[in-house]
Amino acid sequence: DAKTTQPTSMDCAEGRAANLPCNHSTISGNEYVYWYRQIHSQGPQYIIHGLKNNETNEMASLIITEDRKSSTLILPHATLRDTAVYYCIVNRDSNYQLIWGAGTKLIIKP
Amino acid sequence: GAGVSQSPSNKVTEKGKDVELRCDPISGHTALYWYRQSLGQGLEFLIYFQGNSAPDKSGLPSDRFSAERTGGSVSTLTIQRTQQEDSAVYLCASSPLYRLGTDTQYFGPGTRLTVL
Repeated sequence: DAKTTQPTSMDCAEGRAANLPCNHSTISGNEYVYWYRQIHSQGPQYIIHGLKNNETNEMASLIITEDRKSSTLILPHATLRDTAVYYCIVNRDSNYQLIWGAGTKLIIKP
Repeated sequence: GAGVSQSPSNKVTEKGKDVELRCDPISGHTALYWYRQSLGQGLEFLIYFQGNSAPDKSGLPSDRFSAERTGGSVSTLTIQRTQQEDSAVYLCASSPLYRLGTDTQYFGPGTRLTVL
């Protein structure tokens, strides 16, 4: 299984863009990159996913490098409610199991 | 609409007792997952149900753990003879249908299990 590496924690000022990096250097060609987040005492929440191309939705943007060995989740205008643990996950090929790491604890400061 | 619900939200039990945790998935979702999350850790896969197929039980940590899904909807996770190391948050998720690259899992709020 491809594994991911994320910083343990990050801070970001409210209103600024939060850029969360993720390394997945052993990713396979048919593996997708998923991002979920978990606000304290809640279940995880899906954010976005992608394969090769950059993706954007109402919550965030996902930038995947051309070699697919790393990606960045961008929250364009962070708010205090974005404080959470963010998980970068690479799914096992042809398998529904998501392998979860420890994630990045993002703290948005006023 | 209604999301994934789990009950109870908190469960405190004594070592050696059996516990049952319940999950009500989103209506119409064919896939259902159970995970376990210890304090400060990521999620640990336990079991997966998809439609009428045999469940994938490969993540269950011991034979004290079992799960069933009745009528393709509600699921119950049972832990027999609970141990202190079973203390964790147990999370349930459902998704409409797994297809590679399109699976989005919707999570419930979890059940916090404490074994004394």
